[in-house]
Amino acid sequence: QSVLTQPPSASATPGQRVTISCSGSSSNIGSNFVYWYQQLPGTAPRLLMYRNDQRPSGVPDRFSGSKSGTSASLAISGLRSEDEAGYYCAAWDDRLSGVMFGGGTQLTVL
Amino acid sequence: QVTLRESGPALVKPTQTLTLTCSFSGFSLSTSGMCVSWIRQPPGKALEWLGRIDWDEDKFYSTSLKTRLTISKDTSKNQVVLTMTNMDPVDTATYYCARAPLGMDGHSYVDYWGQGTLVTVSS
Repeated sequence: QSVLTQPPSASATPGQRVTISCSGSSSNIGSNFVYWYQQLPGTAPRLLMYRNDQRPSGVPDRFSGSKSGTSASLAISGLRSEDEAGYYCAAWDDRLSGVMFGGGTQLTVL
Repeated sequence: QVTLRESGPALVKPTQTLTLTCSFSGFSLSTSGMCVSWIRQPPGKALEWLGRIDWDEDKFYSTSLKTRLTISKDTSKNQVVLTMTNMDPVDTATYYCARAPLGMDGHSYVDYWGQGTLVTVSS
């Protein structure tokens, strides 16, 4: 059972917009930055979003992040087939003194 | 260019101790604010943070695994070592090391990952 809660799956057709949610608590998302990682099949994760809504260089602006209270979300617009991957949120937890990952959301591009 | 690579045994027996080495380049663990984390991922499952070591030798461990974990570093060799005792089949996973610098909020976050190494625990 992950400390951060994500829907296990999401799907949409190419060109559509999809949003993935991440729900936590006051000790993690509520008081610390949220990070998002993309994991393509058979590969290591890569940083997709940092400090809630900042994109590392090389990440298309189709990806955006937001945070409100104890929840965060990742939005992908203009969905493409290569976006089919696992997406994980993460945040430091002050109570557990460690990084907590969400359970991951598998995105399918129909 | 930041790179990290994990190395160690692909197969360990139950009750044995696992030792993994992370060799990295493109950054230094003697730089203030720099850290290296270990994360694992059982097949088909989610990521799990194991712990981290900081430039100043501070260490943080997952509360559920802290009695079994030790993380150490050799700054001169650009290496970090993870040891996990009393291995069990449920510890079968891909183990990743990752660069994890301190962010603006004072907490580290993973920005570069190694390719990972699959460790299977079986007799």
